[in-house]
Amino acid sequence: DADVTQTPRNRITKTGKRIMLECSQTKGHDRMYWYRQDPGLGLRLIYYSFDVKDINKGEISDGYSVSRQAQAKFSLSLESAIPNQTALYFCATSLTGTALTETQYFGPGTRLLVL
Amino acid sequence: GQQVMQIPQYQHVQEGEDFTTYCNSSTTLSNIQWYKQRPGGHPVFLIQLVKSGEVKKQKRLTFQFGEAKKNSSLHITATQTTDVGTYFCAGSYNFNKFYFGSGTKLNVKP
Repeated sequence: DADVTQTPRNRITKTGKRIMLECSQTKGHDRMYWYRQDPGLGLRLIYYSFDVKDINKGEISDGYSVSRQAQAKFSLSLESAIPNQTALYFCATSLTGTALTETQYFGPGTRLLVL
Repeated sequence: GQQVMQIPQYQHVQEGEDFTTYCNSSTTLSNIQWYKQRPGGHPVFLIQLVKSGEVKKQKRLTFQFGEAKKNSSLHITATQTTDVGTYFCAGSYNFNKFYFGSGTKLNVKP
């Protein structure tokens, strides 16, 4: 598997606080993704980036922003956290898309609780 | 909008029984992937299907992609306790971003 790391692994914050979740990968993959997972809803795409200068909104980008600081780093920010952003957040990476190389490699996840 | 539906949400089986989860899209998919997430873990890629009517096997797991490329299934023969977890399909419409199904949580009783 790609070496995809996420920090922090767990975070408790209060409503209105700004927080950042970080993702790093060492496989040289150009594509990176942020998903959130809620019970019964599967994984929903928040933002994705196909290279350092390319950032795209996913299904549920409201309330979130991202930064692609380098090919290996993709950060997710919650500008003003609210309780319904409590979820498990996953970062994922993949190689440039062709039908044969779209495998996504997921990080271990960040469990976020907004009080 | 584009959406991939997955059923059932939960499945409880006795060890040795078979298990199947289904995914469906209202519009044609370019490709579909399957992932497994163990309890407390992260999704791990199992397989990708691209061709109409494609069938792939991995030991006791059989994956199918419908002729119209709008549905897919994962079938596990003779489940084992190691099969426990949540199985997700993820469909794409343009080989780019993926839409995940809501997952089927499989519990296997020994």
